Amino acid sequence: EPEVTQTPSHQVTQMGQEVILRCVPISNHLYFYWYRQILGQKVEFLVSFYNNEISEKSEIFDDQFSVERPDGSNFTLKIRSTKLEDSAMYFCASRAQGSSYEQYFGPGTRLTVT
Amino acid sequence: ELKVEQNPLFLSMQEGKNYTIYCNYSTTSDRLYWYRQDPGKSLESLFVLLSNGAVKQEGRLMASLDTKARLSTLHITAAVHDLSATYFCAVELNTGNQFYFGTGTSLTVIP
Repeated sequence: EPEVTQTPSHQVTQMGQEVILRCVPISNHLYFYWYRQILGQKVEFLVSFYNNEISEKSEIFDDQFSVERPDGSNFTLKIRSTKLEDSAMYFCASRAQGSSYEQYFGPGTRLTVT
Repeated sequence: ELKVEQNPLFLSMQEGKNYTIYCNYSTTSDRLYWYRQDPGKSLESLFVLLSNGAVKQEGRLMASLDTKARLSTLHITAAVHDLSATYFCAVELNTGNQFYFGTGTSLTVIP
């Protein structure tokens, strides 16, 4: 069964450094998403991406965040200058175009900012 | 700001019992999703509810949506230990592609 994959599974970085989190969505899906979940808290929507551009973004998704689909398979989230409060689990998700609306989530990347 | 509230936040129930988790939201939406999350794991899609009055069932779980009341419920029938997890509801804005998750309900089923 196709699945969303994410790399790395765990990233440790120092405050102020740039990180890139990578996702490979399911191959025939057209909508892509990033979410974050601070430990023990709810899931927060960051951004949605469709047709090579941002579709919607939340207030969390400020200028330090960016997304890109650099090729036909990868979908990346870049955090330019990490802060301690960026420490969280980051989930990528994708969904197909059509009537099912179901999102498929990747396993997540745990980002630890020290 | 859109609010999505779940209650209860924590639920401890005995095997074999029934219970309902509630998800209230503060904006107009026709699409509501339920997810399960095991500790340290990702989100698993349980139900996609796309219209007022939608009801879906899978095994011991049944979800419903009342868009007029802005309320969704997740009903658990005859709980078993394997259902222990955190359950999240999520609302998709009618503009599409923007989602708000509830606070989550941590369910523990006790033998």
